[in-house]
Amino acid sequence: AQTVTQSQPEMSVQEAETVTLSCTYDTSESNYYLFWYKQPPSRQMILVIRQEAYKQQNATENRFSVNFQKAAKSFSLKISDSQLGDTAMYFCASRSYNTDKLIFGTGTRLQVFP
Amino acid sequence: DGGITQSPKYLFRKEGQNVTLSCEQNLNHDAMYWYRQDPGQGLRLIYYSQIVNDFQKGDIAEGYSVSREKKESFPLTVTSAQKNPTAFYLCASSGPQLAGVNEQFFGPGTRLTVL
Repeated sequence: AQTVTQSQPEMSVQEAETVTLSCTYDTSESNYYLFWYKQPPSRQMILVIRQEAYKQQNATENRFSVNFQKAAKSFSLKISDSQLGDTAMYFCASRSYNTDKLIFGTGTRLQVFP
Repeated sequence: DGGITQSPKYLFRKEGQNVTLSCEQNLNHDAMYWYRQDPGQGLRLIYYSQIVNDFQKGDIAEGYSVSREKKESFPLTVTSAQKNPTAFYLCASSGPQLAGVNEQFFGPGTRLTVL
């Protein structure tokens, strides 16, 4: 069975600084996808970034990038130039290639302060 | 605008009553999902449907029921058999897996409180 672990319940960062959120996962599948979702106070889940496991290159979306370490089963999210609007819960999730089921971690609450 | 709507945003029910949460999408997605979110926990899958008139249990289906009579709609009924129904419920949908990953799009959620 797949599992996703986020060991940081809460983190904080000053505006314009960089912060890294950790995520580890466990799967016996060879083909899978990894995601980071953001849930702001409105509670609307928003996809931040995704990574296909067969791709060695780390995904990047503007200020968001990942450090994907397949052998270590690690998938951390780096937020550069943090903005107040980045304040949210961040969830790491995984999905096997041959299923629609997403497996979520317990989330990290990120607070960006001025 | 294409998207997923959930209604109502807040829902209150008395213990022992069944209640149905609405989820509608106009994204022409085949697959739809229901998740439950509790404080300190990630999202947990209740039910999902990959095609009309077909659905499968997720990890925590006990006390819930669904139907999928139309592609656009996937209502969730929280029955009186659900022991702890107070939670935030999220509906999602996804399109066909083409050349890349088919991401799930989420609705705004319904907060259910049992009094």
